Amino acid sequence: NAGVTQTPKFQVLKTGQSMTLQCAQDMNHNSMYWYRQDPGMGLRLIYYSASEGTTDKGEVPNGYNVSRLNKREFSLRLESAAPSQTSVYFCASSIQGALNEQYFGPGTRLTVT
Amino acid sequence: RKEVEQDPGPFNVPEGATVAFNCTYSNSASQSFFWYRQDCRKEPKLLMSVYSSGNEDGRFTAQLNRASQYISLLIRDSKLSDSATYLCVVSSSASKIIFGSGTRLSIRP
Repeated sequence: NAGVTQTPKFQVLKTGQSMTLQCAQDMNHNSMYWYRQDPGMGLRLIYYSASEGTTDKGEVPNGYNVSRLNKREFSLRLESAAPSQTSVYFCASSIQGALNEQYFGPGTRLTVT
Repeated sequence: RKEVEQDPGPFNVPEGATVAFNCTYSNSASQSFFWYRQDCRKEPKLLMSVYSSGNEDGRFTAQLNRASQYISLLIRDSKLSDSATYLCVVSSSASKIIFGSGTRLSIRP
């Protein structure tokens, strides 16, 4: 099993460009999450999907959109990238909800210039 | 006050030493507690869940103190490979999860 996979691993964008970060899990988990991690700060939840067909905002949703394409895949879209979105993005999954342990993908390092 | 607070460290200890970290949380309704380990430029990986009765996994022991609202992680006989950042994670519902900023641990030979 690959666990949680993310693409791309690295990306550089210019301000105003758009892109989609892809995430997939093969553990048959119901819940999936997108986080960002900035230096000196804990991971902050951007959006989550408790189950297929549902998505909800987390702590820092502004500037992002998500799509739960099916049970396996959960994508994060930046419509108009800003330098403040320079960060490391992690996707995670859990069997059901945040009360259970989460498993993380390897991350995407995004730089917006 | 942050919802989850950790001493950022760094803790620099010799190989073989015992080291302990605490993590305090502010939401008394918190239900699930975890310790994750994160190596430099890598993803967080689950180290252990923390149960009310306390639990042990090899050299690692986790404790929960609900009255004082903190969890702890004890590492015995530390190894060079234990060098990492340790993240405290607290969840109060299926949709509410807070990560601490992490405690950096460096084990020296």
